[in-house]
Amino acid sequence: DGGITQSPKYLFRKEGQNVTLSCEQNLNHDAMYWYRQDPGQGLRLIYYSQIVNDFQKGDIAEGYSVSREKKESFPLTVTSAQKNPTAFYLCASSMGRTGTDTQYFGPGTRLTVL
Amino acid sequence: GNSVTQMEGPVTLSEEAFLTINCTYTATGYPSLFWYVQYPGEGLQLLLKATKADDKGSNKGFEATYRKETTSFHLEKGSVQVSDSAVYFCALSLNTGTASKLTFGTGTRLQVTL
Repeated sequence: DGGITQSPKYLFRKEGQNVTLSCEQNLNHDAMYWYRQDPGQGLRLIYYSQIVNDFQKGDIAEGYSVSREKKESFPLTVTSAQKNPTAFYLCASSMGRTGTDTQYFGPGTRLTVL
Repeated sequence: GNSVTQMEGPVTLSEEAFLTINCTYTATGYPSLFWYVQYPGEGLQLLLKATKADDKGSNKGFEATYRKETTSFHLEKGSVQVSDSAVYFCALSLNTGTASKLTFGTGTRLQVTL
């Protein structure tokens, strides 16, 4: 089955620690995205990548970093510089042909900072 | 800038009632419009989309019409079911490049009771 997987589903971190969230897709999509979701708010774009070895900042990139070494993978690192990291993180991908392609989402990772 | 405004929830309906969730947008250009649905603890699923004015997106009994004159994309369903209980997000993207950068509304929670 084609789709997007995120791991782990739940993640706990102590303040001051970096943590990496995994996102893998087998849809053969070129573009991948990371969003953050807070209670009562919509999703906000953290980073996106249109192609391997290239990525751009979204609206709230401060305190986050990404890499795109393989087409299938787009891991997100939440660094200690992120002031309010507790949130639900969603990864998505799209074909990357046009700016209006449908995005397909993974099941999400819930990060809690203790 | 681009923005999406949705009616606040929760919206509580009895089964078989008619549903309307309002969505209006502001965009520089001609966006594509989307409705996504999120079930508890899960990622987002595309419900329907429309890419140009007067297009009607439809899926699983849900419909929305792209109204350029009123900059709206209201979601409707003639008869809701308990299984429709979820959070619904309206979103837009502009055809600027190959990455479909989505701008989301804050979401509207729908609760359907027997």
